[in-house]
Amino acid sequence: DTGVSQNPRHKITKRGQNVTFRCDPISEHNRLYWYRQTLGQGPEFLTYFQNEAQLEKSRLLSDRFSAERPKGSFSTLEIQRTEQGDSAMYLCASSPGHGQYFGPGTRLTVT
Amino acid sequence: AQTVTQSQPEMSVQEAETVTLSCTYDTSESDYYLFWYKQPPSRQMILVIRQEAYKQQNATENRFSVNFQKAAKSFSLKISDSQLGDAAMYFCAYSTGTSGSRLTFGEGTQLTVNP
Repeated sequence: DTGVSQNPRHKITKRGQNVTFRCDPISEHNRLYWYRQTLGQGPEFLTYFQNEAQLEKSRLLSDRFSAERPKGSFSTLEIQRTEQGDSAMYLCASSPGHGQYFGPGTRLTVT
Repeated sequence: AQTVTQSQPEMSVQEAETVTLSCTYDTSESDYYLFWYKQPPSRQMILVIRQEAYKQQNATENRFSVNFQKAAKSFSLKISDSQLGDAAMYFCAYSTGTSGSRLTFGEGTQLTVNP
């Protein structure tokens, strides 16, 4: 299977802890996106990379959030000092141009 | 700012019947793309179909087709011969014509398929 993969699939953490998620895009896709989805809602855009360059960040991406794509391949999303409001599904998608292909997501629960 | 609206939170259809899911959008752009995504329970988002705004012909993918009305800013999805596996949350999404543009999603429509 050469789809988008995300790890871990589930993460439970205590408030105040830091967490990091990983996304491996489809190998030939140079564009990579992070979205956040809360229960019953559509995904909301967080940030976008083209190769290793982070080209766009949403206002939703507070100072506690940081994303990287150091070699233009996989990407990481880190949340520092987690809060209960960070509990959500974090989705990664990759794209060769138009149309994005999503991974299975990482479900974060902050207790 | 672009917005996407799905006015049907829930829809149901009998197996083998046809159902249409509605979507409207608002944009001042002339070049853009529209998509329908399917998200089964606890499973990942799947791209069902896409439509380029500059194309007048409605997109079709097997049992899935769209009715794209550009002037009305309407983009509905028709599912023919519904199957139990079609049951899912369906999201309408928009992106501008700029390569790499983010997706803006609607609120979703939960589709139930009754046997």
